Amino acid sequence: DSGVTQTPKHLITATGQRVTLRCSPRSGDLSVYWYQQSLDQGLQFLIQYYNGEERAKGNILERFSAQQFPDLHSELNLSSLELGDSALYFCASSEGMNTEAFFGQGTRLTVV
Amino acid sequence: AQSVAQPEDQVNVAEGNPLTVKCTYSVSGNPYLFWYVQYPNRGLQFLLKYITGDNLVKGSYGFEAEFNKSQTSFHLKKPSALVSDSALYFCAVRDNAGNMLTFGGGTRLMVKP
Repeated sequence: DSGVTQTPKHLITATGQRVTLRCSPRSGDLSVYWYQQSLDQGLQFLIQYYNGEERAKGNILERFSAQQFPDLHSELNLSSLELGDSALYFCASSEGMNTEAFFGQGTRLTVV
Repeated sequence: AQSVAQPEDQVNVAEGNPLTVKCTYSVSGNPYLFWYVQYPNRGLQFLLKYITGDNLVKGSYGFEAEFNKSQTSFHLKKPSALVSDSALYFCAVRDNAGNMLTFGGGTRLMVKP
């Protein structure tokens, strides 16, 4: 158990809908990262927060947004969902900027 | 921009034989390098890291990795492979600013009895 908790584990929703994925980092970790893992695209970095502030942005679509709250948990919001958004979404957390990141079990999103 | 290349989609090795999973990177400044393993339907598990110091770093489950600055490589190695090592392996790099942990495309390791 990495100590990073993601909910829900599975999500099935229809095209055009909006969903929210939640991540609770390990106790004491200030950095949170979001990644998308599709079958043939490996791990795509979406966005990183550090202590509530956005730190780095990857190839995150405009339909996607995220935030990190004062208690350090983070939410990834996906809207106007398309079939191609079906993927595993991982959250990871790290204590600092240069330490290893620990991953949650992921949320499997299926858009039908 | 930083990047990681894992040139082999799959590596096949017989149980008991040594294994190597290759990784090369590109990053500004000194790299922070990581290896992770992913088992089916699971999240990524941290194996080992190189931050500074000895070029040979040891990690979990008997794995080690060798940092080579001149070749910008960070190959994962194990002296004797186990069937249970079969999984997807990811190399990752972070820049000096501590941002963006960038992953390679992954290498599937198949260890056959």
